[in-house]
Amino acid sequence: NAGVTQTPKFRILKIGQSMTLQCAQDMNHNYMYWYRQDPGMGLKLIYYSVGAGITDKGEVPNGYNVSRSTTEDFPLRLELAAPSQTSVYFCASSYSVSATNEKLFFGSGTQLSVL
Amino acid sequence: EDQVTQSPEALRLQEGESSSLNCSYTVSGLRGLFWYRQDPGKGPEFLFTLYSAGEEKEKERLKATLTKKESFLHITAPKPEDSATYLCAVQRPGNTGKLIFGQGTTLQVKP
Repeated sequence: NAGVTQTPKFRILKIGQSMTLQCAQDMNHNYMYWYRQDPGMGLKLIYYSVGAGITDKGEVPNGYNVSRSTTEDFPLRLELAAPSQTSVYFCASSYSVSATNEKLFFGSGTQLSVL
Repeated sequence: EDQVTQSPEALRLQEGESSSLNCSYTVSGLRGLFWYRQDPGKGPEFLFTLYSAGEEKEKERLKATLTKKESFLHITAPKPEDSATYLCAVQRPGNTGKLIFGQGTTLQVKP
């Protein structure tokens, strides 16, 4: 049982390049999330999904896109990378949002630098 | 505006020296308050969820408490392996699981 798996772990992009951050979970969780974490700042929600085919914006969605074609996968797409997107990206999942099952399981993160 | 503020930003303790971390929140209704632990280079790991003022939860040397305006994470007789960043987050009612995170407190416990 791998939990939440993110790839790649590290990546350097040039300004204007595009890339996809991969996220997969094997816990059959309905809810999946993408957060970014900047030094000295709390995690900020980029996008989230409540199930296959359903996605919605979080706090900081500009410059990103997502899709959710299966329950397991939730890729994050960066189009036209900018230095402001240099950050550590975390994918997370949860089984539900009921009172006893809403804790998030996080992946180990992708450290992205845009130069 | 919903906001979560943690203090102090950094805390150094000697092994065995107990202390508390603070999480102050302003949110329009509270569904739950969460504490996570994050080790360097890793994703956050769930510790506790608190739902109502007066609630307390314990796990080994950690104890979390909740009031209407803040939460405390008490660390009793810490060990070097307790060194980590501790994150607090709140969730509003009727939400889809989205959390609002504080900036974290980085704890270093020296032997």
